[in-house]
Amino acid sequence: GIQVEQSPPDLILQEGANSTLRCNFSDSVNNLQWFHQNPWGQLINLFYIPSGTKQNGRLSATTVATERYSLLYISSSQTTDSGVYFCAVEQNYQLIWGAGTKLIIKP
Amino acid sequence: DGGITQSPKYLFRKEGQNVTLSCEQNLNHDAMYWYRQDPGQGLRLIYYSQIVNDFQKGDIAEGYSVSREKKESFPLTVTSAQKNPTAFYLCASSKQVNQPQHFGDGTRLSIL
Repeated sequence: GIQVEQSPPDLILQEGANSTLRCNFSDSVNNLQWFHQNPWGQLINLFYIPSGTKQNGRLSATTVATERYSLLYISSSQTTDSGVYFCAVEQNYQLIWGAGTKLIIKP
Repeated sequence: DGGITQSPKYLFRKEGQNVTLSCEQNLNHDAMYWYRQDPGQGLRLIYYSQIVNDFQKGDIAEGYSVSREKKESFPLTVTSAQKNPTAFYLCASSKQVNQPQHFGDGTRLSIL
């Protein structure tokens, strides 16, 4: 089946820094979503982005479907950005999840 | 407010006992999903339902059962056949399959 790999697995940054998270996938997909899971386990849908670029405030995402990767950019990090960031790709009505990038933002 | 409600937040199961996790949504979504998350890992699909009275197995359906008698409700039963049920369970819904999924706050299940 399709493989979804996220990098880096862990990232520790100072408040105010910028970061780039990467998601590689091994096969063609119908769509791709980015999620943020906060320390209490709540999952928030950040982007639904099968291709192209989208921006929402300090966050933006780019998916290059032909090269099978997606990038999530976080600018001017805040402590509330801490948590785990997942990408998930859809194939045959199912979401296949990466293992996540754990982000810690230090004040 | 529109959203997805999971209950209870925490649940404890004795050996050999079946337990049912509740998931209710008032978003008028057709599709609903159940996922399992183990510590430090991504989510794995247990079951999904595209429409009322229909559901399909995901990757890890063994030891679980579901029903979809109403559009807004998709309960998950963890049966005694599931030998390692301790995990975080998340319910999601989407307008249709292939649309963005939105999640409830989850239920943490532990074995006594």
